[in-house]
Amino acid sequence: RKEVEQDPGPFNVPEGATVAFNCTYSNSASQSFFWYRQDCRKEPKLLMSVYSSGNEDGRFTAQLNRASQYISLLIRDSKLSDSATYLCVDSGNTPLVFGKGTRLSVIA
Amino acid sequence: EADIYQTPRYLVIGTGKKITLECSQTMGHDKMYWYQQDPGMELHLIHYSYGVNSTEKGDLSSESTVSRIRTEHFPLTLESARPSHTSQYLCASSEQGDYYGYTFGSGTRLTVV
Repeated sequence: RKEVEQDPGPFNVPEGATVAFNCTYSNSASQSFFWYRQDCRKEPKLLMSVYSSGNEDGRFTAQLNRASQYISLLIRDSKLSDSATYLCVDSGNTPLVFGKGTRLSVIA
Repeated sequence: EADIYQTPRYLVIGTGKKITLECSQTMGHDKMYWYQQDPGMELHLIHYSYGVNSTEKGDLSSESTVSRIRTEHFPLTLESARPSHTSQYLCASSEQGDYYGYTFGSGTRLTVV
């Protein structure tokens, strides 16, 4: 099944930094995506959905660029608690396919 | 306030034993899933169900079986556990439609010795 591609990282950033992850996809018909967050040895948790209009929730902003076929997640003012793996998932590829994601470490 | 429950949380068992991993959800979701995940690796789909009496195998070849007799309950059974089954097993559920994300349980960490 078609998947999405993510830079595995790790991204090591200082507290307070702004960090952005990109995720590319190959299925031009894909219309929406999910960003999940997974802490070490825990279950994935849905962070936000992304449609063509984008989505913002506090310090987190997600965008979908259908022309270039990528999804982005921007985290502003990074906190230590943001350290996790972030997974980009095509919502139309069901059952959902979860890749390895991008690992983020926020450092004090 | 978990709405999807997995038991046991941790299990250490000997080779050859039969085990059942429990998963229950209180959200009335028709769709349920089992994924397997090793540390640092991606999730692999092993079974899924779109409703009562409906089950399908996922992408990962597995010696496990599932049943879906009630909407809220989706147990996973290993008839004869092997060390290669050592992994984390994650159960999830979702509403109908492609625009609903999955809610995961806390997982069962299985070790077969």
